[in-house]
Amino acid sequence: DGGITQSPKYLFRKEGQNVTLSCEQNLNHDAMYWYRQDPGQGLRLIYYSQIVNDFQKGDIAEGYSVSREKKESFPLTVTSAQKNPTAFYLCASSYGGPRYEQYFGPGTRLTVT
Amino acid sequence: DQQVKQNSPSLSVQEGRISILNCDYTNSMFDYFLWYKKYPAEGPTFLISISSIKDKNEDGRFTVFLNKSAKHLSLHIVPSQPGDSAVYFCAASGNQFYFGTGTSLTVIP
Repeated sequence: DGGITQSPKYLFRKEGQNVTLSCEQNLNHDAMYWYRQDPGQGLRLIYYSQIVNDFQKGDIAEGYSVSREKKESFPLTVTSAQKNPTAFYLCASSYGGPRYEQYFGPGTRLTVT
Repeated sequence: DQQVKQNSPSLSVQEGRISILNCDYTNSMFDYFLWYKKYPAEGPTFLISISSIKDKNEDGRFTVFLNKSAKHLSLHIVPSQPGDSAVYFCAASGNQFYFGTGTSLTVIP
C-alpha cells in the first residue's frame, strides 16, 4: 500500500530544542517537499528536493534544515533558530518538478512552548 | 506577497446545488493549476488540475475553469454533497507550487 508517512502526528518540544520531523514515501517519487501551514495562511514551501543528495530552499527556509540521503526519506529539522516553530507541517512527494501533482502525508502538528 | 489568493475564506451551499470556489493569481508565468481538498488534521489530497493551454477540465462532478486573461480559476462542484465539506486549496505552478489560503466549504444536507 503506497503512500507517505509522517511521524509523529503530534509533537511537543521546549523552546530552544531542535526537533526532527520524519517523512517517508514508498511511491518511488523523485521529488519531496516540506510545507508549513499556519491558521489563515496557505501552505508555504520550506525546502524541496528533486533528487537524492540535493535540496533547495523554499520561501521560508530560515531556521530549518533537511537532508536527502535516501530517495524514500526527507527529514526536516526545526532548529532553535526558527522564531515561530509552532505550526502544522506537511510533507509531500511527486514524480518530478512542478508539472506533477503532489501527494501529501497526514502532517505533524508541532507545538513548542 | 501572496501570489495565489482565495478571497472567500468560507462558503456554505445546500446539498444538490452548485458550489463555486474561486482563485486568483498574479504571476502570468504560472502554467499549471491544481485544486486540493483537505480535511482537518489530514494532508491535502489532489482533486483536479488544468494546464494553461486549456480553459476547462472536467472530472465527474468537478470542473475547473481557467481564465488566463483575468488570471482567475474556479472550481465547480455539482451536485454538491455533504462529503464535499472540506477546505479547498488552489495551487499554481511556476518553478514551484504556490498555494492559496483555502476556502472552507460546508455543504448543508
